Amino acid sequence: GQQVMQIPQYQHVQEGEDFTTYCNSSTTLSNIQWYKQRPGGHPVFLIQLVKSGEVKKQKRLTFQFGEAKKNSSLHITATQTTDVGTYFCARLGNDYKLSFGAGTTVTVRA
Amino acid sequence: DGGITQSPKYLFRKEGQNVTLSCEQNLNHDAMYWYRQDPGQGLRLIYYSQIVNDFQKGDIAEGYSVSREKKESFPLTVTSAQKNPTAFYLCATRTPEVGSGANVLTFGAGSRLTVL
Repeated sequence: GQQVMQIPQYQHVQEGEDFTTYCNSSTTLSNIQWYKQRPGGHPVFLIQLVKSGEVKKQKRLTFQFGEAKKNSSLHITATQTTDVGTYFCARLGNDYKLSFGAGTTVTVRA
Repeated sequence: DGGITQSPKYLFRKEGQNVTLSCEQNLNHDAMYWYRQDPGQGLRLIYYSQIVNDFQKGDIAEGYSVSREKKESFPLTVTSAQKNPTAFYLCATRTPEVGSGANVLTFGAGSRLTVL
C-alpha cells in the first residue's frame, strides 16, 4: 500500500530541549493522523489534520500539515520524560485502509 | 481498553499450530482492524472489516484468516502457513465517518504471540 515515511527513526533528546519528527508522502494526503505509543502500551490517537497548512497545538506539542498536503510534522518543546514513546503518523486511504509510518522512537536524557 | 478487549494478552504456541486471537468491542463501531507490530517496523495492516460479514485483506494477509459474524467480534487466526508469527498483534475499531473525531482508530491493549 501507499506508505508514509517517518524521520528520524530514533530521537534521543536532552530533557528540556525541543525536537521535531517528520512524516512524508509521495502522494497527496486527504488527512494525516498522529498516534503515540508508550513503551509496553498500545497506540493512542493524538490528532488529525485535514486542511492544507493546518496547525494544531496540544500543550507542548505542535502538529503541522504541509501546504501541499504531502508532509506533516510534530514539534515538541521543552521535552519531558513523559514524552518518551514512539510517535506514528498514519494516512487514511480511499479504501479506508489506515497505513502507518514506521514511527519515531523518542528517548529522553534527564 | 477504550471498550476493546483483546485476549489473551500473552500466548505461547508451538510451531505448526494454529492460534486464534480474540477481539471484542462495545463501542458500536462498524469498522475493525488487525495490525501486526514488529520492532522497528511500525504497524502493518493484516485484515480489516467495514461491516459485519465483510472483510478485506490488508498489506500482509498471507498466513492469516479472519471472520466477522458479529459486529462486536473480529477474531484473527494465525495459521501454520504464517512463516514468522511471533509478534505483537493489535486490534482496533474506527470511529464513524461523520463528526469531528471521524475515522480515528481506537486500539485494544494487544496480544503478544510467541511461537516456540
